[in-house]
Amino acid sequence: QKEVEQNSGPLSVPEGAIASLNCTYSDRVSQSFFWYRQYSGKSPELIMSIYSNGDKEDGRFTAQLNKASQYVSLLIRDSQPSDSATYLCAVIGSGGGADGLTFGKGTHLIIQP
Amino acid sequence: DADVTQTPRNRITKTGKRIMLECSQTKGHDRMYWYRQDPGLGLRLIYYSFDVKDINKGEISDGYSVSRQAQAKFSLSLESAIPNQTALYFCATIGGVGDNEQFFGPGTRLTVL
Repeated sequence: QKEVEQNSGPLSVPEGAIASLNCTYSDRVSQSFFWYRQYSGKSPELIMSIYSNGDKEDGRFTAQLNKASQYVSLLIRDSQPSDSATYLCAVIGSGGGADGLTFGKGTHLIIQP
Repeated sequence: DADVTQTPRNRITKTGKRIMLECSQTKGHDRMYWYRQDPGLGLRLIYYSFDVKDINKGEISDGYSVSRQAQAKFSLSLESAIPNQTALYFCATIGGVGDNEQFFGPGTRLTVL
């Protein structure tokens, strides 16, 4: 059974600071890793994808992947109140998208003005 | 038009009733998925489909069935609804290089009394 673990939070970060969100996964051969933002009652929105070890930057977001440690993280720089949401981590395993995404339970992020 | 649409958006039904949730997509993706989201449990995969002839059970398929009427349409049925099927249901499509094209419908909030 593939598992994806996230700290449920809430994680409280002052406006303008860096928010750091973490995720670990159990399937060592997972290939693709994704971060989503989900506002309450809304659908998840894909914000970052990462496939190889290292960092990937897109605007204020940076995803970091360490396959040896089975660890993926998301950094949000210059945090804004509009970043307050639940952030979901998901992985696709060795079968590609054959069995869909396995999601973590999400981390609730609060950006304090 | 929205990339992925779901109907109905909200539904209240009674135990034992049959109910169908419908999903349509305009992305041309072959892969479609049904997830349910419960507070504190994240998103869990119910069923997925690679094309109209390929239907697969997910993690929590008991009590559900699906139909892929066309590439663009994927329906989820609850043959005899029970209260613990009360949840937020999402349809999703996945495609693109590295599965980085992911679109979720707006969700159907289902309450079974």
